[in-house]
Amino acid sequence: AQKVTQAQTEISVVEKEDVTLDCVYETRDTTYYLFWYKQPPSGELVFLIRRNSFDEQNEISGRYSWNFQKSTSSFNFTITASQVVDSAVYFCALTSSGGYQKVTFGTGTKLQVIP
Amino acid sequence: DSGVTQTPKHLITATGQRVTLRCSPRSGDLSVYWYQQSLDQGLQFLIQYYNGEERAKGNILERFSAQQFPDLHSELNLSSLELGDSALYFCASSDSGRFVDEQFFGPGTRLTVL
Repeated sequence: AQKVTQAQTEISVVEKEDVTLDCVYETRDTTYYLFWYKQPPSGELVFLIRRNSFDEQNEISGRYSWNFQKSTSSFNFTITASQVVDSAVYFCALTSSGGYQKVTFGTGTKLQVIP
Repeated sequence: DSGVTQTPKHLITATGQRVTLRCSPRSGDLSVYWYQQSLDQGLQFLIQYYNGEERAKGNILERFSAQQFPDLHSELNLSSLELGDSALYFCASSDSGRFVDEQFFGPGTRLTVL
């Protein structure tokens, strides 16, 4: 069975602080994909990143960076110099590629950036 | 604006009823995905259609069904509604049939079952 754990339910930071959102996953599959999504107060989901299980390179996109570590089954997301517009719920997700699609979402981390 | 449209935005109905949610994908996208977001179950993938054919099935109940029409819009039918079906239903689209490729989400339909 697959599992995604986002232990941080809510985080509050002051604008310009860095913040890391944790994601720990469990799967028996050797090939899988991990995702991060953003859900701002407006409600729409926004795809942020996808990473497959064979690519452990960290990725940076502007103020966003992702740290994938298979050894600890973690796929953490860091926002540098946070801004009020980063306030949202962030979801981590996992899908296997074993011939059918089964996707598991974490429960989300609500990030509030205080001006 | 993702380019994915969903109607209606809000829907209020009673237990036992049947409703239809509609989704129009981005221009050129062949895949449509349906998701449910509820307080109890969180975010769940329901089903994917690609160019009119069912491609992948997630946690979709038997009381729910979907289809994708030749013009690529999709409908999600929910029947024998229960209180627990109250949720935000998202549609997403992508240009490929691969689930793992980037998906673009619509604004959602909020369903309230009374």
